Amino acid sequence: GAGVSQTPSNKVTEKGKYVELRCDPISGHTALYWYRQSLGQGPEFLIYFQGTGAADDSGLPNDRFFAVRPEGSVSTLKIQRTERGDSAMYLCASSTSQEREQFFGPGTRLTVL
Amino acid sequence: GNSVTQMEGPVTLSEEAFLTINCTYTATGYPSLFWYVQYPGEGLQLLLKATKADDKGSNKGFEATYRKETTSFHLEKGSVQVSDSAVYFCALIPSGSARQLTFGSGTQLTVLP
Repeated sequence: GAGVSQTPSNKVTEKGKYVELRCDPISGHTALYWYRQSLGQGPEFLIYFQGTGAADDSGLPNDRFFAVRPEGSVSTLKIQRTERGDSAMYLCASSTSQEREQFFGPGTRLTVL
Repeated sequence: GNSVTQMEGPVTLSEEAFLTINCTYTATGYPSLFWYVQYPGEGLQLLLKATKADDKGSNKGFEATYRKETTSFHLEKGSVQVSDSAVYFCALIPSGSARQLTFGSGTQLTVLP
């Protein structure tokens, strides 16, 4: 079946602009996760959804970052007033509510100029 | 807090050599432990996992044993192939209700023919 998909695959924006990154999880997966991976580092947790609600948003770095999952499927990560330090690979993963194994999408590479 | 420490890379081996990538963790209780692999140009894939002490995870000739006494989960393979060239990440999910992965910084492996 289809895996986790993320769009766009690449996003280049200018400092101060607003961006939205989309994640489409595996069908039937109720849990959805966002991570951020800087070059040469491991992914770092941002936020986790169980259904429509954010079960844990403790990894969001500041209030410029926000994520939604209004219908319990597709999720959008929103970044306001982007900064050059936001440049990274943004990864989405999904899982069933019972299993701990997470399936990752290919990521969106964000570059803030 | 929870953390994962991985052997620093890069690691370069000849084909058919023995591979060990060290991983130790800090966490309370009994976390679930994972190895993820990231092939060039691809997304993160789960390689193997172990959910309780003394469990051995294995896949594609790779193995790792959950050692509670040494808080370790070292990755091994008896005979590496060129196709194993990738970045390997050790990760954990804490015991209890937490669901987010905590990753190590990754180890780049290059296998030469």
